[in-house]
Amino acid sequence: SSELAQDPAVSVALGQTVRITCQGDTLRSSYASWYQQRPGQAPMLLIYGRNSRPSGIPDRFSGSTSGNTASLTITGALAEDEADYYCNSRDGTTNVMLFGGGTKLTVL
Amino acid sequence: QLQESGSGLVKPSQTLSVTCAVSGGSISSGGYSWNWIRQAPGKGLEWIGYIYHSGDTFYSNPSLKSRVNISADRSKNQFSLQLTSVTAADTAIYYCARLTSRDAFDIWGPGTMVTVSS
Repeated sequence: SSELAQDPAVSVALGQTVRITCQGDTLRSSYASWYQQRPGQAPMLLIYGRNSRPSGIPDRFSGSTSGNTASLTITGALAEDEADYYCNSRDGTTNVMLFGGGTKLTVL
Repeated sequence: QLQESGSGLVKPSQTLSVTCAVSGGSISSGGYSWNWIRQAPGKGLEWIGYIYHSGDTFYSNPSLKSRVNISADRSKNQFSLQLTSVTAADTAIYYCARLTSRDAFDIWGPGTMVTVSS
């Protein structure tokens, strides 16, 4: 079955750049969307489509795709960016909405 | 805005019911689907299914599909999830979320915790 694979944990030094990746066959034909989830809160949309951000999302968050891998890049990580990050994409064959397992980002 | 409400504690084998009240827009508006997503304690997100603005429904993987029903009450501008024959594995925070035509879950409710326990 289709799935989206994410690294369970990633760390970044304060102010540095970090890339969080998401791998899956569905990404060859469907864009990923990215969500940030802080402890005790609902997920929040960060990136969708090719590289679109909802109003209010800082431009230090960006998205890209190459082949079967989607990436979320945080340029100049802040302490407040410490959270779980999830990718999501539609399986073009089954129409099921898939979530990656999530990546816990630690800002050092 | 979306706001979930529901049965916080459900006994095994019974039916879980949660409702999502929508404000600031109509669930009958074109271009959106209204979704249920859950998150077991300490785990990741799992998409359950959606009801489209037309009333069509679509559910996720076979393990849930046979137990899930999503319905809408347009007069109250809300939609609901029923999950039958629950077990402890169904214990989770249940979120409702709006999915746009660009496949983005752009609005989420705060979530409601449902515990399955005798």
